[in-house]
Amino acid sequence: EAGVTQFPSHSVIEKGQTVTLRCDPISGHDNLYWYRRVMGKEIKFLLHFVKESKQDESGMPNNRFLAERTGGTYSTLKVQPAELEDSGVYFCASSQELNYGYTFGSGTRLTVV
Amino acid sequence: LAKTTQPISMDSYEGQEVNITCSHNNIATNDYITWYQQFPSQGPRFIIQGYKTKVTNEVASLFIPADRKSSTLSLPRVSLSDTAVYYCLVGDMGGGYNKLIFGAGTRLAVHP
Repeated sequence: EAGVTQFPSHSVIEKGQTVTLRCDPISGHDNLYWYRRVMGKEIKFLLHFVKESKQDESGMPNNRFLAERTGGTYSTLKVQPAELEDSGVYFCASSQELNYGYTFGSGTRLTVV
Repeated sequence: LAKTTQPISMDSYEGQEVNITCSHNNIATNDYITWYQQFPSQGPRFIIQGYKTKVTNEVASLFIPADRKSSTLSLPRVSLSDTAVYYCLVGDMGGGYNKLIFGAGTRLAVHP
């Protein structure tokens, strides 16, 4: 089966600009997660979708981040406006069952300059 | 979610067995233990999960003592391609374990 796909793999934007990251989960996986690792820190949870509904968005850092999953398929994570501290690697993961091994994508490396 | 403690790094040689121990003294009754592997420029990859005693799959074995306050990931006969960061995570599988809490992990370097 195809894995979790993230696009783009790399993005370099200027401070103040907007960037949209996309995640295509494994087909049929209702659960979709966003995580990120900022420089020198550990991987941190951002939010969790069940189909198109946000189940838990407690990890979203602030209102500059907006995640959507229209139709319960792919998801987007928009950062607007981007700040320097948003630089890092953003991972998406999906799972069919809530409490078992998740499949992660390769991540999007975001650099804000 | 229980906090975990792992060695920061480990070194091994090709063909050896590697055991990475994780401490989780505050593990709760409903908590499961899960290990992930991460290669550079990739996302974490699920390796194995267990609750107690021993679990084995085609990749690794997971040993969990009776008190469950620690666990050991065992990688048999490692190769250079096993060089990666290994994360131990503990969480409640029945209570909406919807977020993974990653620590710093253990950076394993396998040498020729």
